[in-house]
Amino acid sequence: NAGVTQTPKFQVLKTGQSMTLQCAQDMNHEYMSWYRQDPGMGLRLIHYSVGAGITDQGEVPNGYNVSRSTTEDFPLRLLSAAPSQTSVYFCASRHYSYEQYFGPGTRLTVT
Amino acid sequence: AQTVTQSQPEMSVQEAETVTLSCTYDTSESDYYLFWYKQPPSRQMILVIRQEAYKQQNATENRFSVNFQKAAKSFSLKISDSQLGDAAMYFCAYRRSQGGSEKLVFGKGTKLTVNP
Repeated sequence: NAGVTQTPKFQVLKTGQSMTLQCAQDMNHEYMSWYRQDPGMGLRLIHYSVGAGITDQGEVPNGYNVSRSTTEDFPLRLLSAAPSQTSVYFCASRHYSYEQYFGPGTRLTVT
Repeated sequence: AQTVTQSQPEMSVQEAETVTLSCTYDTSESDYYLFWYKQPPSRQMILVIRQEAYKQQNATENRFSVNFQKAAKSFSLKISDSQLGDAAMYFCAYRRSQGGSEKLVFGKGTKLTVNP
């Protein structure tokens, strides 16, 4: 199993640009989620999904969209990038009641 | 709202010695999970150990063990026989087990340095 994969590893955007961070898992996990990690802080939940076709907001959802058309994929869309979205983004997945497995992260810089 | 507090921003330990990282949390729930994650410079989040709140027995994973004190809402991590590869940021995290909540609540982390 590849586990949880994320692309790209690094990205630089200009303010106002849009982009999609990709996340995929091959473990047939029901739950998937997106977190962001800012300097000196732990991770904060952006959006999550409990199964294909079902998504919900986390703690810091503004400026981000998600969709879950398949069990394997859970992309995160930045609609109009802002410098405040400069962060490291982690995707995670899990089975019901088990711990989250995290992807390697995407470092995003918005100038 | 649930909160997780790690009161030690940085800790250091000599190789082969033992170190304990502290974590306290606040919740009104009775059933939940607690985790310790390790984040090395590669920034990959790696699960170290987990504890179910309904279990009285403290979890252990090789050199890693926890001291779970439910009444005190304390969840410390003990690393025995510390190795250079243990150097990393360590995050304590909480997740409620009811209601399908996906939210992991993280502490701000403790940076562990291992001295040779």
